[in-house]
Amino acid sequence: GNSVTQMEGPVTLSEEAFLTINCTYTATGYPSLFWYVQYPGEGLQLLLKATKADDKGSNKGFEATYRKETTSFHLEKGSVQVSDSAVYFCALTSGGSNYKLTFGKGTLLTVNP
Amino acid sequence: DAGVIQSPRHEVTEMGQEVTLRCKPISGHDYLFWYRQTMMRGLELLIYFNNNVPIDDSGMPEDRFSAKMPNASFSTLKIQPSEPRDSAVYFCASTLRPGNIQYFGAGTRLSVL
Repeated sequence: GNSVTQMEGPVTLSEEAFLTINCTYTATGYPSLFWYVQYPGEGLQLLLKATKADDKGSNKGFEATYRKETTSFHLEKGSVQVSDSAVYFCALTSGGSNYKLTFGKGTLLTVNP
Repeated sequence: DAGVIQSPRHEVTEMGQEVTLRCKPISGHDYLFWYRQTMMRGLELLIYFNNNVPIDDSGMPEDRFSAKMPNASFSTLKIQPSEPRDSAVYFCASTLRPGNIQYFGAGTRLSVL
């Protein structure tokens, strides 16, 4: 079946530091890959997505590249801000069950001023 | 559009009581999903509907849980009787078609004492 593994948190960074959150996946067929973000007290919001190999999703300074050879979709940002503090979820949909999002466990990011 | 609307935001109840969670999806979205989020298990899909019809309820934990969608603009998730292990955040999400972005509500935080 489908599964998503992302790095354990929590991750604590200083403002303007470089961020990487690792995500690897197992899926049947050719999955679409997503990063969702959950700010405190809110629901999940789509941050970025990629639908085929070598695609790069980007939004709000965050980027992730769909790497089929390493089955990875790592999230990066060059300079984090305090406002980026949130929980980040890697997720995928795949094949005949492409309605169904399979999520990683989430990574809590805290950015200190 | 106001987005996916869930109510109540917080619910505290005693073991054995009936709990009803409510969701209004984004107008025009044909798919509605109910998720449960806990620290131990992360985000789990409980059930999803297409055009008001339940399609996959394999994630519903047991018979105490039931979900309905009487019309395109309203869905309920009911737990009867509730147990302390049901304490979690319950999210509703909707989307236009499979594989598209899912839009999440702000969630209902349920505490069963």
